[in-house]
Amino acid sequence: RKEVEQDPGPFNVPEGATVAFNCTYSNSASQSFFWYRQDCRKEPKLLMSVYSSGNEDGRFTAQLNRASQYISLLIRDSKLSDSATYLCVAGGGADGLTFGKGTHLIIQP
Amino acid sequence: NAGVTQTPKFQVLKTGQSMTLQCAQDMNHEYMSWYRQDPGMGLRLIHYSVGAGITDQGEVPNGYNVSRSTTEDFPLRLLSAAPSQTSVYFCASSPGPYNEQFFGPGTRLTVL
Repeated sequence: RKEVEQDPGPFNVPEGATVAFNCTYSNSASQSFFWYRQDCRKEPKLLMSVYSSGNEDGRFTAQLNRASQYISLLIRDSKLSDSATYLCVAGGGADGLTFGKGTHLIIQP
Repeated sequence: NAGVTQTPKFQVLKTGQSMTLQCAQDMNHEYMSWYRQDPGMGLRLIHYSVGAGITDQGEVPNGYNVSRSTTEDFPLRLLSAAPSQTSVYFCASSPGPYNEQFFGPGTRLTVL
């Protein structure tokens, strides 16, 4: 069974702080990696793709460690609007994409 | 460009009733999938399709049927609804097997 494991949280973080969370994936053949954001009672939306060299999009940085099968997401200068559930995704190809159950983030004023 | 659309947004069924959840995409994506999302369970794949005329089972296919007669449409049929099928159902599409998936807004289904 292919799995993606995440700490469900919640992570309670003051506004302006930096927060990081991680996930691990079991399928070593995974080729595609993503972070999705899901707001309460809404559909998941792509936050960013994750590349082996690491990548940054504004306040968000994603890292991939293939040897350890580990993906991370760092959010700098957190905003109230960052409060959401963050889904880690790994897989691709014939195996399809596997979604983690999500990490719940609450940014507090 | 509407993306992925789903109807209905909400539905209440009685045990034993059947219904079809509609999903359509206008991005010419080959890959389409149906997921259900339950509290504490995350997204679970029900059925998927890699192109018109081709469908396959996902992790939790029992009680559901799908067909893919066109690239655009991928309906999900509940054959005889059960309370265990109370869930939020998301349809998703993707250009290919390694690409991000685009999700529809979901259908919230309650089976009494």
